[in-house]
Amino acid sequence: DAGVTQSPTHLIKTRGQQVTLRCSPKSGHDTVSWYQQALGQGPQFIFQYYEEEERQRGNFPDRFSGHQFPNYSSELNVNALLLGDSALYLCASIRGGQGIVYEQYFGPGTRLTVT
Amino acid sequence: QKEVEQDPGPLSVPEGAIVSLNCTYSNSAFQYFMWYRQYSRKGPELLMYTYSSGNKEDGRFTAQVDKSSKYISLFIRDSQPSDSATYLCAMAGGYNKLIFGAGTRLAVHP
Repeated sequence: DAGVTQSPTHLIKTRGQQVTLRCSPKSGHDTVSWYQQALGQGPQFIFQYYEEEERQRGNFPDRFSGHQFPNYSSELNVNALLLGDSALYLCASIRGGQGIVYEQYFGPGTRLTVT
Repeated sequence: QKEVEQDPGPLSVPEGAIVSLNCTYSNSAFQYFMWYRQYSRKGPELLMYTYSSGNKEDGRFTAQVDKSSKYISLFIRDSQPSDSATYLCAMAGGYNKLIFGAGTRLAVHP
């Protein structure tokens, strides 16, 4: 049973560019959350997708947007990249709209470096 | 003030030591309290969770929650070099949103 998978593993972008990160949830999970983890910091909640809609959003600008597909996979898009967007981006999945919080599983993350 | 405060360390202990990791929080509505372990360049993995106040033990690990003080702890007994990692405390907000501390880096040396 595959866990949460993310692609790519890492990438390097230039300031002002746009980037798309991808996540496939754990089998049986239908809700996907995205987190940003800056170096030396804990993960910060970006937003959550359930039933192909953004259900909750953290304190991130509109440059951060997402999408969820009918197969429950998700994308995170970041426009107009800033140096401060360099971080590990984590995807987490859970079963059901009100799944038990400790049954949330994290992927290995995508490391984004903005130069 | 952050919702969750955690001393980032680093914490360095000899093998076999008892390790104490702590977090404080400000939101009294939190009900679920989690500890995650994160190895370098990996995603967090759930170590333990506690619902409301009390203690929970799992092998060498013990989690404690004191809601009256808004204080949670993780104890690691007989620490091993393989325990070297970053330990993140997390609390659950609405819709399973997790609010993390900054993480404490732990190094256990032989």
